[in-house]
Amino acid sequence: QEQLAQSGAEVKKPGASVKVSCKASGYTFTNYYMHWVRRAPGQGLEWIGRINPNNGETDYAQKFLGRVTVTTDTSIDTGYMELIRLTSDDSAVYYCAGALYNGLDVWGQGTTVIVSS
Amino acid sequence: SYELTQPPSVSVSPGQTASIDCSGDVLTKQYAYWYQQRPGQAPMLLIYKDTERPSGIPERFSGSSSGTTVTLTISGVLAEDEADYYCQSADPAMTYRIFGGGTKLTVL
Repeated sequence: QEQLAQSGAEVKKPGASVKVSCKASGYTFTNYYMHWVRRAPGQGLEWIGRINPNNGETDYAQKFLGRVTVTTDTSIDTGYMELIRLTSDDSAVYYCAGALYNGLDVWGQGTTVIVSS
Repeated sequence: SYELTQPPSVSVSPGQTASIDCSGDVLTKQYAYWYQQRPGQAPMLLIYKDTERPSGIPERFSGSSSGTTVTLTISGVLAEDEADYYCQSADPAMTYRIFGGGTKLTVL
């Protein structure tokens, strides 16, 4: 069964960085894109970016350009999303999602990131 | 940039039919996908490529498309269907994804 398991909650101060991990199991990691999506309190889903684990090619939402980096370590079937220069507006639940068959059909459980002084 | 527009909220009584629209110019060029997100849970894919249902999704969930609008229809609404629903598409070059603002479905 295809699964994505994310790292635990993080509390960061404004200006700091956060790196969230997402370990895949039950499918061939390098065959399918991994996406990152967040949901801030009281807001809707927001697409952050994606990576092709096969070749490392990435695409990012314009809003996050220059602040986000999505990477993978194919030796351990794990993806990462790093966001720098955090502000309170970055407080959200961050999800990884796999585009395996049709749409974003496998999701991690979410990682809560709180940015507070 | 492309946008998808959904109503913020829809209310329906149990057993009735709920319809949620999603509109945007990009929908004439790209497929739409629908996700359900219950409180405290990760989103779940409900509909892909406008009208197709993944295995395991109940038949009461269906999707349709007409021009710049796609619609998620939930027939015979159950209390457990109370959740947030999001449409999603992509830019014509398929380099980024777009979510609608989300619709909160309330089962009265």
